[in-house]
Amino acid sequence: AQTVTQSQPEMSVQEAETVTLSCTYDTSENNYYLFWYKQPPSRQMILVIRQEAYKQQNATENRFSVNFQKAAKSFSLKISDSQLGDTAMYFCAFMKPFLVDSNSGYALNFGKGTSLLVTP
Amino acid sequence: ETGVTQTPRHLVMGMTNKKSLKCEQHLGHNAMYWYKQSAKKPLELMFVYNFKEQTENNSVPSRFSPECPNSSHLFLHLHTLQPEDSALYLCASSQVASGGNEQFFGPGTRLTVL
Repeated sequence: AQTVTQSQPEMSVQEAETVTLSCTYDTSENNYYLFWYKQPPSRQMILVIRQEAYKQQNATENRFSVNFQKAAKSFSLKISDSQLGDTAMYFCAFMKPFLVDSNSGYALNFGKGTSLLVTP
Repeated sequence: ETGVTQTPRHLVMGMTNKKSLKCEQHLGHNAMYWYKQSAKKPLELMFVYNFKEQTENNSVPSRFSPECPNSSHLFLHLHTLQPEDSALYLCASSQVASGGNEQFFGPGTRLTVL
């Protein structure tokens, strides 16, 4: 089974500053997918960013970017120019590739999450 | 309605009650999921349905019974629950294909078992 570890239960950052959330994972797969999800207080979980393991280039989505280190099995999320609306739980998740023959492999394995507070 | 909806949003039940959680996705996806989110623990995958067929049951106790009548609807039937089953139950859907497609989540049902 794949395990996902987020070593920072809570973090705080001031508005407009940059913060990095860490995530490591353990797998024997060579091809897989990694995600960061955001869950604001009392609101739905939404996707922030995704990364395909076969791509060397780090994914970016506006103020959000990742530092994907495949050999180290590390997948950190950097939030630039933090905004008050970024306050949320952030979950790192791992997905094996879908295998048509076995009809499996697309379930997400989540870390415990990091609670991020953005302060004025 | 758009995206993934769940009803009810909050549910309080006794250990002898029978209740059902409902999930509906309006995204045309072919896979649906139930997750359990407890405090201080990672989200736990409970069940996976792909093309209405259950493809994963993650060692969930039989007091939780899923039902997927079609690709848009997913139910979780609850019976004789325990207080430790109190949690946020999240439904998700995705379009399963070769590759890693994201899952879209509903707002969840906050379940309290007395």
